[in-house]
Amino acid sequence: DAGITQSPRHKVTETGTPVTLRCHQTENHRYMYWYRQDPGHGLRLIHYSYGVKDTDKGEVSDGYSVSRSKTEDFLLTLESATSSQTSVYFCAISESGGEQYFGPGTRLTVT
Amino acid sequence: AQSVAQPEDQVNVAEGNPLTVKCTYSVSGNPYLFWYVQYPNRGLQFLLKYITGDNLVKGSYGFEAEFNKSQTSFHLKKPSALVSDSALYFCAVRDSSYNTDKLIFGTGTRLQVFP
Repeated sequence: DAGITQSPRHKVTETGTPVTLRCHQTENHRYMYWYRQDPGHGLRLIHYSYGVKDTDKGEVSDGYSVSRSKTEDFLLTLESATSSQTSVYFCAISESGGEQYFGPGTRLTVT
Repeated sequence: AQSVAQPEDQVNVAEGNPLTVKCTYSVSGNPYLFWYVQYPNRGLQFLLKYITGDNLVKGSYGFEAEFNKSQTSFHLKKPSALVSDSALYFCAVRDSSYNTDKLIFGTGTRLQVFP
């Protein structure tokens, strides 16, 4: 998976608790992305980063925040998890003009 | 607004037959187009891309895609399907409204190849 790891791979949490997902790359790519995948919706962009400490919102950013303090790490935080955030979350990386490479995904269940 | 459409939720084909998975797009300017495949419980894998040049693009695992500017389409094709090609396929287009590499994905097409 192109030098991208995600942790944890599976998580079950309760409504109202904070959750942080981690994406780590060894490719030194500039851009990093967080997506969620839900049936019937394909992949939807949550947040993305175009450099260390440079981030911006995607199409479904409400309820999520991100941080990127190092090139290799991109964190996604659910401040107060809700059942609607039950999903599979994918991290991706790219260089300018190139294709994106995806991590293995994190399956999150909010009960 | 920029968008990608995959009009078929599922495509069924017999092993050995040719397959086509359809994709149409709407962007301003010249499109950067991509195809990805997703096997069960895995992340997306890059198959091929079109940026410029020859309208027929060859990619991984024997797949190819044909860019048609007049029909705004980028259909994925393979001359002879394998059972192992059964997976979820996504078409994507680069969002040209920003100076980033953001991609807009279609909703996916499930390909089922029967023995």
